[in-house]
Amino acid sequence: KAGVTQTPRYLIKTRGQQVTLSCSPISGHRSVSWYQQTPGQGLQFLFEYFSETQRNKGNFPGRFSGRQFSNSRSEMNVSTLELGDSALYLCASSPGTSGPPSFGPGTRLTVL
Amino acid sequence: SQQGEEDPQALSIQEGENATMNCSYKTSINNLQWYRQNSGRGLVHLILIRSNEREKHSGRLRVTLDTSKKSSSLLITASRAADTASYFCATDPPTSGGSNYKLTFGKGTLLTVNP
Repeated sequence: KAGVTQTPRYLIKTRGQQVTLSCSPISGHRSVSWYQQTPGQGLQFLFEYFSETQRNKGNFPGRFSGRQFSNSRSEMNVSTLELGDSALYLCASSPGTSGPPSFGPGTRLTVL
Repeated sequence: SQQGEEDPQALSIQEGENATMNCSYKTSINNLQWYRQNSGRGLVHLILIRSNEREKHSGRLRVTLDTSKKSSSLLITASRAADTASYFCATDPPTSGGSNYKLTFGKGTLLTVNP
């Protein structure tokens, strides 16, 4: 089975721009979660989607949003980028009912 | 906010030695997991221990869980240079029903194994 894939792997944006990151889960997995990893705050939960519905959301501003498509692929969007949004964004997929999630390689976002 | 706190923050050992990392957490959990991350890449799941388990083994890994102290430890025996990585504990709240969809991570232990 192919693992979780994330595109792009690296991204450079400037403040005020918006960005969309993509995640393709493992085949058959219906749950996709997103995490932000920074040196200062560590790994923080952004949100999780299951069967195209957002099931839970972390404590992030409304500039961070996401969606899930019928094929379980997910995208997250960050609008009006700030310097502090520079981070590694990790996507994880799981069957959605049990079992540990599998993480993708991440997208490294740099905001200048 | 971080649920778990790993201790130590950094650990440097020689190949062949054992490495022990500790994790403490604050609230009730459904399970606790350990992950490895190599140099800013994705997380690799190592082992999961449920709240009603006390000890679990997987190859060279041994995990213990003490829910009364809200703490866990990860022991890597006979370490290798390839074990050099950051190690994170992650907790899954009881409300998730075991779905593991919302993990709370600690800040991690950076393990360096010198050849």
